[in-house]
Amino acid sequence: DAKTTQPPSMDCAEGRAANLPCNHSTISGNEYVYWYRQIHSQGPQYIIHGLKNNETNEMASLIITEDRKSSTLILPHATLRDTAVYYCIVRPGGDSSYKLIFGSGTRLLVRP
Amino acid sequence: DAGVIQSPRHEVTEMGQEVTLRCKPISGHDYLFWYRQTMMRGLELLIYFNNNVPIDDSGMPEDRFSAKMPNASFSTLKIQPSEPRDSAVYFCASSLVADSPLHFGNGTRLTVT
Repeated sequence: DAKTTQPPSMDCAEGRAANLPCNHSTISGNEYVYWYRQIHSQGPQYIIHGLKNNETNEMASLIITEDRKSSTLILPHATLRDTAVYYCIVRPGGDSSYKLIFGSGTRLLVRP
Repeated sequence: DAGVIQSPRHEVTEMGQEVTLRCKPISGHDYLFWYRQTMMRGLELLIYFNNNVPIDDSGMPEDRFSAKMPNASFSTLKIQPSEPRDSAVYFCASSLVADSPLHFGNGTRLTVT
């Protein structure tokens, strides 16, 4: 399974964009990039996922490089409630698609 | 939709006792997952079910752990006998199909003394 590398912690000011990077240099063609976050004392929450095109939803945008070896999750206007651990996950396709393997993530602190 | 519902939210028990954790998945979801989270090992997949049938239990730590899914709306994770090293937060998640996003419950925090 492809592994991901994320910075252990980041911070940003409330109202500013938060850009969370992720490296996944060993990703293969049928593997998706997924992002989850975990707010303290809650279960992981799905944010967004993509294969090779950039994706946007009501929560965030996902920018995947053309070679697919890295991606960036963008929270356009971070709020205090976005303080959480953010997990970048490479999810296999096919028969192993159920495998969602969590790493250690990036702890994002949004400052007032 | 109420989301994935887990009970109890907290469980404190003594070593050697049986512990049963419960999960109600989102209605219509065919896949159910049990995860465990500790500081040392992070989030680990224990077992998953497809249409109530256990498919992969390779993550279950040992025979003291067992999981069942008697119907599409209920699953249990049982630990018998419990040990202090089982202390963790146990999460249940469900998904519509195999490769759709997982939706997690808020977990059961288990403390074994």
